[in-house]
Amino acid sequence: ETGVTQTPRHLVMGMTNKKSLKCEQHLGHNAMYWYKQSAKKPLELMFVYSLEERVENNSVPSRFSPECPNSSHLFLHLHTLQPEDSALYLCASSQGQGLAGGPEPEQYFGPGTRLTVT
Amino acid sequence: AQKVTQAQTEISVVEKEDVTLDCVYETRDTTYYLFWYKQPPSGELVFLIRRNSFDEQNEISGRYSWNFQKSTSSFNFTITASQVVDSAVYFCALSDYYNNNDMRFGAGTRLTVKP
Repeated sequence: ETGVTQTPRHLVMGMTNKKSLKCEQHLGHNAMYWYKQSAKKPLELMFVYSLEERVENNSVPSRFSPECPNSSHLFLHLHTLQPEDSALYLCASSQGQGLAGGPEPEQYFGPGTRLTVT
Repeated sequence: AQKVTQAQTEISVVEKEDVTLDCVYETRDTTYYLFWYKQPPSGELVFLIRRNSFDEQNEISGRYSWNFQKSTSSFNFTITASQVVDSAVYFCALSDYYNNNDMRFGAGTRLTVKP
């Protein structure tokens, strides 16, 4: 596997279900991100992990719970979601996080998980 | 506050036409990074280019070129001789040079290239 992978690619869940999204990066990066992309809206940064510590939590509802067990893996645990949570959830990683002029500040994205909440 | 504006919501061109995607940014930082990403229908954002605020040189990569002008806070992207495979949503983004945790994306421009 190369780059950033995400599973599942598509997920349909009811409002009472609990599910998890998984992201894995094979780039040796030290920072990982969750974004939400809804139709007609800009990308919304949800969470940032740097060196496995959460450094950003942009007022995301508690029904979304991230987990970063190591620098290569990132999870987004979902429970009691609402229909408006239906969106494309994108994971990304980068190197040199928070370092001035780090070698590669750009983020590399996975293919996303298309989530539908019914 | 940082902000990226992509005023063109959708652009449609015919194959082989040249097309320019506009990006205007706002930041109080004196040092920052600018980026362009491409999102094809498959959904994955593909990194295209990064520029730092120190370097205003324009860049060309094949049919792609970028025009960075600090005086107008713009970082425009031109595709020469467009092809159907260029059809995608293109995002411009901005981050602080010293802390790139928070990358601000524009709303994106949907480019459709017709055969």
